[in-house]
Amino acid sequence: QITLKESGPTLVKPTQTLTLTCTFSGFSLNTRGEGVAWIRRPPGKALEWLALIYWDGDERYSPFLRTRLTITKDTSKNVVVLRMTRMDPVDTATYYCAHRLYSGFWSGWSDAFDIWGQGTMVTVSS
Amino acid sequence: IVLTQSPGTLSLSPGERATLSCRASESINSNYVAWYQHKSGQTPRLLIYDASSRATGIPDRFSGSGSGTDFTLTISGLGPEDSAVYFCQQYGNSPPWTFGQGTKVEIK
Repeated sequence: QITLKESGPTLVKPTQTLTLTCTFSGFSLNTRGEGVAWIRRPPGKALEWLALIYWDGDERYSPFLRTRLTITKDTSKNVVVLRMTRMDPVDTATYYCAHRLYSGFWSGWSDAFDIWGQGTMVTVSS
Repeated sequence: IVLTQSPGTLSLSPGERATLSCRASESINSNYVAWYQHKSGQTPRLLIYDASSRATGIPDRFSGSGSGTDFTLTISGLGPEDSAVYFCQQYGNSPPWTFGQGTKVEIK
C-alpha cells in the first residue's frame, strides 16, 4: 500500500525559505518509472503543479516558479524534499506530494497522480 | 497549455447527470488528460486518466471522454457525496503539467 505524508512548518514569514518533506512508503524511488510531485492549492483557488522528481534524478519545475524551487530525493530514507525560496503571502496554500501513476503493463507510467498525501497547510505572514 | 473548465459551478439535483467540460489551448498528446475530485478538507482523488480510463476503485458513474482539445467528465446518478470541486489536468506534452481552474458541483 502506497502512502505519502507531508511535513514542514505551518507558518513562515515573507522572504523566508520553505522546506517541505514528503515521507513515503510502499514504493521505492530507485524503481524505474517512479516519481513524486509537489502540487499546491491556495484557498479557494485551483491546483497548481510545482515540481516533479523521477527515479533517475530528472527534475522538472513549473516555469513560473523555477528560480525559487528545488526538489530533491533521498532514496535511502524514502523522502522527497521541496525547497521554495523568497516566500510571499500569495504562496499561502495547502501543499501536497503525490505519487506518479502506474496504470499497468500496456499503459505503463504517466504523470497523472494516483496517491496523494494528506496535505500540509502553509501560511505566509509576518 | 492552458486548460479552461466550464461551467464554473454546476448545481444539480440528486439523480441527475453532471457534464463537466475541459478545453485545452492546444491539442494534448495521446489524450493525456486526468480528472480529480477534491472535497473540502480531503485529499484530491484521481477519477479518470488518459481521458477515459477509470482509476482503481472509481465507480462506473464516472466516465471521461474527449480528444484533441476538448474533454468531458460525466457523472451520472448524482448523490450528495459527489459535492466537490473537479479539476482536469494535462500531462501529454512536456512539463509543466497544468490544471484547469475547477468546476464546483453542488447537489441541491
